[in-house]
Amino acid sequence: SQTIHQWPATLVQPVGSPLSLECTVEGTSNPNLYWYRQAAGRGLQLLFYSVGIGQISSEVPQNLSASRPQDRQFILSSKKLLLSDSGFYLCACSFASQETQYFGPGTRLLVL
Amino acid sequence: AQSVTQPDIHITVSEGASLELRCNYSYGATPYLFWYVQSPGQGLQLLLKYFSGDTLVQGIKGFEAEFKRSQSSFNLRKPSVHWSDAAEYFCAVGYSGGGADGLTFGKGTHLIIQP
Repeated sequence: SQTIHQWPATLVQPVGSPLSLECTVEGTSNPNLYWYRQAAGRGLQLLFYSVGIGQISSEVPQNLSASRPQDRQFILSSKKLLLSDSGFYLCACSFASQETQYFGPGTRLLVL
Repeated sequence: AQSVTQPDIHITVSEGASLELRCNYSYGATPYLFWYVQSPGQGLQLLLKYFSGDTLVQGIKGFEAEFKRSQSSFNLRKPSVHWSDAAEYFCAVGYSGGGADGLTFGKGTHLIIQP
């Protein structure tokens, strides 16, 4: 079965600094990958999804970008963080024949 | 577009009592339905899912959910809650062929367990 790793677990960054969050998947190949953001007291907002290397779809316009340099690696980035980027970022994966999504442990980002 | 409503933001239940968390969805065809649980500071764990067949589905940790097409509902139940069930619960909907478009999540229900 698949295992999703997210790094780092917690991050405190100043406004205007860059960001790089990493998600890697073990135990499977060619997964669909997702980045969600969960703000305090809210549900999950889908930010990006990817069906393959170099293929990224964005769900909402924002200050963030995503990349998929390898089959099992998904990176969330920003050139300049905003206060509103604070939140809990979750990576998830699914497979072409299934709609079930499996989630990583998350990264808590605090922008000060 | 599909949507998911979890009408209860918070629910408080005594330990040992029964539990029902409500979920209503809006989608034209038969959806795929999911319940996830999230402990504080953690990722989401899949409790159960409904794709087709028997409308009463069993999940992990003693949870079950019933799909009622006529009510567009997929309520989560547990006959006797434990203190460890305190968490955030999310209902989600997908659909056949939705694939990488992902799931649509409700805003969650925060479950509090009283001793």
